[in-house]
Amino acid sequence: NAGVMQNPRHLVRRRGQEARLRCSPMKGHSHVYWYRQLPEEGLKFMVYLQKENIIDESGMPKERFSAEFPKEGPSILRIQQVVRGDSAAYFCASSPPAGPETQYFGPGTRLLVL
Amino acid sequence: AQSVSQHNHHVILSEAASLELGCNYSYGGTVNLFWYVQYPGQHLQLLLKYFSGDPLVKGIKGFEAEFIKSKFSFNLRKPSVQWSDTAEYFCAVPSNDYKLSFGAGTTVTVRA
Repeated sequence: NAGVMQNPRHLVRRRGQEARLRCSPMKGHSHVYWYRQLPEEGLKFMVYLQKENIIDESGMPKERFSAEFPKEGPSILRIQQVVRGDSAAYFCASSPPAGPETQYFGPGTRLLVL
Repeated sequence: AQSVSQHNHHVILSEAASLELGCNYSYGGTVNLFWYVQYPGQHLQLLLKYFSGDPLVKGIKGFEAEFIKSKFSFNLRKPSVQWSDTAEYFCAVPSNDYKLSFGAGTTVTVRA
């Protein structure tokens, strides 16, 4: 069984560019979550999605950040016009419909903004 | 909302030493509790979880954790660590059905 897949694993962007982070959930999982880990901090919830629906985006910054989970294909976290403060590790997790409280995490994408 | 605090930021110990990592949470109602581990260069893995029942939970790789409701604690323990236990450990509690609140993490370095 393949676990949660994320790509790229490392991403370098210059200020003002766009960053696209991809997440493929585990087989059979229809719930996807994005978390951000800033240096020296724990993971912070960003957004919870089901196929074609955003369920909870209370942890997303109000501007420049968006997320989607289309009917086909991976979930995408998109950061427009990146700034240095966006440098962090972004983790995706997935869970089965019956057990959202138990989440399985991907390897993360380390974003570095120069 | 739930908050989680981990007492130790960095722990250094020798092989065969005993390990205990502290975790406290803020909410006093029904609670599920998790410990995750992140080995160097790898993804976050579930180490163990508590939902209900026996407050002493056994996890993978010889780890266990004890839920003490009166102390709002869920400390992680291992009687004898190995070099391969070098990792970062995170305590987590759901704020609701799905939103996990994580502690800041404890980096454990085991010296051979």
